[in-house]
Amino acid sequence: EADIYQTPRYLVIGTGKKITLECSQTMGHDKMYWYQQDPGMELHLIHYSYGVNSTEKGDLSSESTVSRIRTEHFPLTLESARPSHTSQYLCASSPGQGESQPQHFGDGTRLSIL
Amino acid sequence: GQNIDQPTEMTATEGAIVQINCTYQTSGFNGLFWYQQHAGEAPTFLSYNVLDGLEEKGRFSSFLSRSKGYSYLLLKELQMKDSASYLCAVKNSNYQLIWGAGTKLIIKP
Repeated sequence: EADIYQTPRYLVIGTGKKITLECSQTMGHDKMYWYQQDPGMELHLIHYSYGVNSTEKGDLSSESTVSRIRTEHFPLTLESARPSHTSQYLCASSPGQGESQPQHFGDGTRLSIL
Repeated sequence: GQNIDQPTEMTATEGAIVQINCTYQTSGFNGLFWYQQHAGEAPTFLSYNVLDGLEEKGRFSSFLSRSKGYSYLLLKELQMKDSASYLCAVKNSNYQLIWGAGTKLIIKP
């Protein structure tokens, strides 16, 4: 069973605030990902990391930043939240070796910007 | 561009069989994944296909035809708990996952 945790689960906050979404995994996975998902829509990759001190932007421009200082931790930061950031954010991880290895997902953070 | 096509919604009866189709056009192919996602929850892994043919795993089976850019997920002996969205995702030549929008499966008694 995958062990990947996201906090907070839900967040309602005003425009202009700085927000950090936390994601931690206890499986020692090298690869970690952040996705954005709107209801009934596909997952869009916003950031990924293949190891410590390695981060890349995905295919969706999200005005967010990430860091990967420790293997187990991959936080996502929005410097100034806007209503367009309202969405569900999913964190995932997978082992470094083997392309057949699936991604394991956290329960997500549902973010609402007022 | 790259895209994954799945039906938006399907309805089936408890105890029956349902087939959820997925067609894809991606830059290269390095495997296809099926995930299940219950409303408000995280996606969970169901199956992986990289070679043509059928992979069976209990009540769920997944089929792949690389020449046709086509896969399906077959669910047998449907149970009410199978009501969920089913996501098809393809790993492209850059080893990035391209996701479909998912098929919402509604099971009726």
